[in-house]
Amino acid sequence: QQQVKQSPQSLIVQKGGISIINCAYENTAFDYFPWYQQFPGKGPALLIAIRPDVSEKKEGRFTISFNKSAKQFSLHIMDSQPGDSATYFCAASTPRGNQFYFGTGTSLTVIP
Amino acid sequence: KAGVTQTPRYLIKTRGQQVTLSCSPISGHRSVSWYQQTPGQGLQFLFEYFSETQRNKGNFPGRFSGRQFSNSRSEMNVSTLELGDSALYLCASSLNRGEKLFFGSGTQLSVL
Repeated sequence: QQQVKQSPQSLIVQKGGISIINCAYENTAFDYFPWYQQFPGKGPALLIAIRPDVSEKKEGRFTISFNKSAKQFSLHIMDSQPGDSATYFCAASTPRGNQFYFGTGTSLTVIP
Repeated sequence: KAGVTQTPRYLIKTRGQQVTLSCSPISGHRSVSWYQQTPGQGLQFLFEYFSETQRNKGNFPGRFSGRQFSNSRSEMNVSTLELGDSALYLCASSLNRGEKLFFGSGTQLSVL
């Protein structure tokens, strides 16, 4: 069963708009929540990550919002650009393991 | 510093054959993980190696195996290939367990 559920499956946004991708999890033992960006023909690359002791983390145009009680976290891309067009994966891991559970991915297309 | 290197980039095999994939982690990284990526399923964890020992294994049949050498390089083997094994196989390394994953570009395996 999917430990991390991600939505939407695909997203089309106008240039300059806000892209929002959501993830939900069940395992309360998860303590690390990264987001990965993947371009065609490349492996995923870490974009931004958060731990459950904070509710928000911002790096440039990318922000993670984390709601521990709802067991949900989301990625917000502000001022979306065509170069942001890629597949985005959320993930979660437990403290002592090095096993990451990934969402099924969101294909983002930013229209010029 | 060179990134994670996976070879070969593409492989075409037929059912029943076996295949070996190779991964060279970033210099100094001791943990190597393998993931299977298929459309719609996202990334599924195969196994993780640290200091030449398998530390964690995902929910895959015994046909999937791996090993890690003293220089941290890792190989993954799939025996008796099935059509459903067609996927992008990603290798990721991290400095230590539970830390940021750096992915290679993957090996695209097609089973005919």
